[in-house]
Amino acid sequence: GESVGLHLPTLSVQEGDNSIINCAYSNSASDYFIWYKQESGKGPQFIIDIRSNMDKRQGQRVTVLLNKTVKHLSLQIAATQPGDSAVYFCAENMDGGFKTIFGAGTRLFVKA
Amino acid sequence: GAGVSQSPSNKVTEKGKDVELRCDPISGHTALYWYRQRLGQGLEFLIYFQGNSAPDKSGLPSDRFSAERTGESVSTLTIQRTQQEDSAVYLCASSLQPGNQPQHFGDGTRLSIL
Repeated sequence: GESVGLHLPTLSVQEGDNSIINCAYSNSASDYFIWYKQESGKGPQFIIDIRSNMDKRQGQRVTVLLNKTVKHLSLQIAATQPGDSAVYFCAENMDGGFKTIFGAGTRLFVKA
Repeated sequence: GAGVSQSPSNKVTEKGKDVELRCDPISGHTALYWYRQRLGQGLEFLIYFQGNSAPDKSGLPSDRFSAERTGESVSTLTIQRTQQEDSAVYLCASSLQPGNQPQHFGDGTRLSIL
């Protein structure tokens, strides 16, 4: 099938290690942020979100950190597994609006 | 099914032909979005529908692109007189409400223009 993310930045990690994927967002007025995971041949899948009144939110094996001062978002994946291999996109919404702006994406490759 | 469904999953057509892509959102989701994803790229917003309100077409790249949605159900994206640069994956997403909500995506239609 078609491969997503042929020319994207790539992060390569060993199975079992923690992964950190970073994202610089564009608009200081953005108030809602989302991380999506996209596997090859599939649509993006929601992972975790965070609102601008928070700086950290945890899910199952994932943590999102938000630094509004420098407009930076990160996704931490604990104990990375081969099934985590995919392209990860950050996305931002502004002023509660509908329009979601997606980042360029980072390809995560997990070595067994 | 329970998710967003798109058809066809793949479409190959000759330059100059018209194509129609279909999206079935999750039942009860009022907001529907279309995106374009070129190979190795992020998602490019095309158009947004919310209930019976006028759609936001600000992302449509040219007047060859149009989309319709009947109420809160099926949407179709039409590309007329296709060109090679239209080759991409076209993704549809829906959300329960507009605004600060995660979107649920279909697996897209892979469009190839020869």
